[in-house]
Amino acid sequence: GESVGLHLPTLSVQEGDNSIINCAYSNSASDYFIWYKQESGKGPQFIIDIRSNMDKRQGQRVTVLLNKTVKHLSLQIAATQPGDSAVYFCAESYGNNRLAFGKGNQVVVIP
Amino acid sequence: EAGVVQSPRYKIIEKKQPVAFWCNPISGHNTLYWYRQNLGQGPELLIRYENEEAVDDSQLPKDRFSAERLKGVDSTLKIQPAELGDSAVYLCASSFQQGREQYFGPGTRLTVT
Repeated sequence: GESVGLHLPTLSVQEGDNSIINCAYSNSASDYFIWYKQESGKGPQFIIDIRSNMDKRQGQRVTVLLNKTVKHLSLQIAATQPGDSAVYFCAESYGNNRLAFGKGNQVVVIP
Repeated sequence: EAGVVQSPRYKIIEKKQPVAFWCNPISGHNTLYWYRQNLGQGPELLIRYENEEAVDDSQLPKDRFSAERLKGVDSTLKIQPAELGDSAVYLCASSFQQGREQYFGPGTRLTVT
């Protein structure tokens, strides 16, 4: 992965607090959404996904919320840890296995 | 289980020179993707393979870029000749056929001088 920290929206969060990262997607026909985490020098790492027939899905310390009415996706990270510092991307897919990535959001965890 | 393997990790070349990137997907993954990621941006798809067939190459600049996946496993992406604007990270990903969850390799960072 690239060092993608420059010129990105940045969320600074205290260790132990909850983080919320937002994403607006573009295609109302998209039926599958993924959140990826990308650390410096690494490729994107799958965090959690959600299909359009759901509006909420929970994983370990993470929750994804989907609002199809306003084409909005969010990722909530509970009890944020220093290892959560990274760039987070949302991606949408509309039936052809092609993922379209949104703009990244940098999360900086303050110890 | 080994993840997606890419090599080299870094490559510096002069413009007009050729360059090639190699990818070995996760065992059993029939679908392979090549992406390009510019600084500060999300990955953008270049080409997708289902086994050895390129099923989506609409975003591959075919005048200078080529790719192959001869035996439906490993893949090579080539640029010839490279231009300054090709400097980026080239990511390979794989997934189960018809699956949606894509697993990414570490990428190759290309610098064209």
